[in-house]
Amino acid sequence: GQNIDQPTEMTATEGAIVQINCTYQTSGFNGLFWYQQHAGEAPTFLSYNVLDGLEEKGRFSSFLSRSKGYSYLLLKELQMKDSASYLCAAIDSNYQLIWGAGTKLIIKP
Amino acid sequence: DADVTQTPRNRITKTGKRIMLECSQTKGHDRMYWYRQDPGLGLRLIYYSFDVKDINKGEISDGYSVSRQAQAKFSLSLESAIPNQTALYFCATSDLAGGDTGELFFGEGSRLTVL
Repeated sequence: GQNIDQPTEMTATEGAIVQINCTYQTSGFNGLFWYQQHAGEAPTFLSYNVLDGLEEKGRFSSFLSRSKGYSYLLLKELQMKDSASYLCAAIDSNYQLIWGAGTKLIIKP
Repeated sequence: DADVTQTPRNRITKTGKRIMLECSQTKGHDRMYWYRQDPGLGLRLIYYSFDVKDINKGEISDGYSVSRQAQAKFSLSLESAIPNQTALYFCATSDLAGGDTGELFFGEGSRLTVL
């Protein structure tokens, strides 16, 4: 079956760095998304990776290893507004999105 | 104005009632989706449509139906609502063309409570 695993919850300190991991098992692979979702709001796009390596976008970076079925989202210089859930989603061979349950990130002062 | 608009944003109804959630978009995308989100679970796909004449069931379509009235409009119906359909519902759009990633653009969500 197809599956996405990511930690349920993580806690980090304002100003620090946090890495949220995601492992995936899909029938084929056509890329991986990271979305941010604040409580009660819609998910918003953060990043897309289809090739191995690190994509950097400001304070946020996303890494992909296709051979390991693994991705991570790296958040630097954490701010209180980064408290949210982070959703990992892989695209399978039929271009269907397989979603993880999300990682709730709690930022403490 | 939002590119993807859902109505109503909040609805409380009773078991057995018929409910329609509506979604409209101004992004010009062909692909539209309905998802539900429950605490502790990922987004689960209910139905999706790749164009006006194309409707497909997702992983949890039982108890739901959809209508794609136009490229810009995609509505979700619960013919006879039941309490375990209490959830946050999202409409989303995407466009896979010319190298686009297929990124989803979400509406603001419709919170449905079935008593």
